[in-house]
Amino acid sequence: DTGVSQDPRHKITKRGQNVTFRCDPISEHNRLYWYRQTLGQGPEFLTYFQNEAQLEKSRLLSDRFSAERPKGSFSTLEIQRTEQGDSAMYLCASSPQGQGETQYFGPGTRLLVL
Amino acid sequence: AQSVSQHNHHVILSEAASLELGCNYSYGGTVNLFWYVQYPGQHLQLLLKYFSGDPLVKGIKGFEAEFIKSKFSFNLRKPSVQWSDTAEYFCAVTPYSSASKIIFGSGTRLSIRP
Repeated sequence: DTGVSQDPRHKITKRGQNVTFRCDPISEHNRLYWYRQTLGQGPEFLTYFQNEAQLEKSRLLSDRFSAERPKGSFSTLEIQRTEQGDSAMYLCASSPQGQGETQYFGPGTRLLVL
Repeated sequence: AQSVSQHNHHVILSEAASLELGCNYSYGGTVNLFWYVQYPGQHLQLLLKYFSGDPLVKGIKGFEAEFIKSKFSFNLRKPSVQWSDTAEYFCAVTPYSSASKIIFGSGTRLSIRP
């Protein structure tokens, strides 16, 4: 399967712990996006990378959140000192560079903070 | 701020009924428009998209959508639904000048009675 993959698929953690999620985009895609989806809502944009450069961050991305894409391939999203409000599905997507390219989504990582 | 409104939270239809899901967006400039679908247990996937040209766009599985600029609308239609169309449908927009983040609506859950 050459689609977008995410790991882990599910994560349960206690409030105050740090968690890290990984996304592997489609190999020839140089754009990578992170979204967050809560119950009953559509995905909300968090941040995006073009190659290794983080080009845009949402105001939703508080200081506790950090994303990296060090070699322009896979990306990690870390949440420090998790809060119950961080419980959500975290989605990754990738696309080729260019106007109007379709974003392809991964299966998501479901986070539950107890 | 840009936003997307989907009028119906949950739609229930019988097989062979016609479908129309409403979508309105709020943005003053040129936009790219999308409908994404999420079948139970599957990833978000693109159903259709509009970038320019003919405002009537045809997508996969017999779906189509019409862009009406004067109404800021992009409604999704299908003349005859099938049980396999049961899914969550998301309308989405990207400002043409910033074709990075996608702004999603809150989604419409479609249930088809066999």
